[in-house]
Amino acid sequence: AQSVTQPDIHITVSEGASLELRCNYSYGATPYLFWYVQSPGQGLQLLLKYFSGDTLVQGIKGFEAEFKRSQSSFNLRKPSVHWSDAAEYFCAVGAKAAGNKLTFGGGTRVLVKP
Amino acid sequence: DTGVSQDPRHKITKRGQNVTFRCDPISEHNRLYWYRQTLGQGPEFLTYFQNEAQLEKSRLLSDRFSAERPKGSFSTLEIQRTEQGDSAMYLCASSISRWGSALTEAFFGQGTRLTVV
Repeated sequence: AQSVTQPDIHITVSEGASLELRCNYSYGATPYLFWYVQSPGQGLQLLLKYFSGDTLVQGIKGFEAEFKRSQSSFNLRKPSVHWSDAAEYFCAVGAKAAGNKLTFGGGTRVLVKP
Repeated sequence: DTGVSQDPRHKITKRGQNVTFRCDPISEHNRLYWYRQTLGQGPEFLTYFQNEAQLEKSRLLSDRFSAERPKGSFSTLEIQRTEQGDSAMYLCASSISRWGSALTEAFFGQGTRLTVV
């Protein structure tokens, strides 16, 4: 069975500073990996995805993520955080063999200090 | 196309009552998923449809829960005899699945927040 771990429940970062959110997954085959963002009371918006190919993936809002198979990780990064990036971030793994359903991590809440 | 639409956005119900939620997926999407998200947690998979066929149900989905997608378009999720533990955000997502093609991303609706009092 697939699983996702996001070790950091909360992260506080100053506006303009860099941000890195950690994600570790467990899956027996080639994973499909996603990062979603959720603002309070809202649904999930896709930031980026990794299916295959280049292990450094660019997404929306200036985010990028790097797939490292040897570490079973898919960490999300942003070089310079904006106040509007305050939200909850979810890493997810999906698999075609599992009906494309997603397994999510517990999320990381990002707070941005002025 | 306005994306995945869910109705209602909020529902407060008394314990023991039945509730029904509706999800309208993106029009050309043949797959539809339901997830449940409790406070402070990530979404958990409940069930999914390919067109009108319900292909998988999670063990989380007790007998009080039923989902339908009668014409392969919109879907409903009904909870009978609600309990306080059913209080959560219910999220719907849709995607395209074509035989032989790779995974495509799921697009989520805004969710229905259920509060059982």
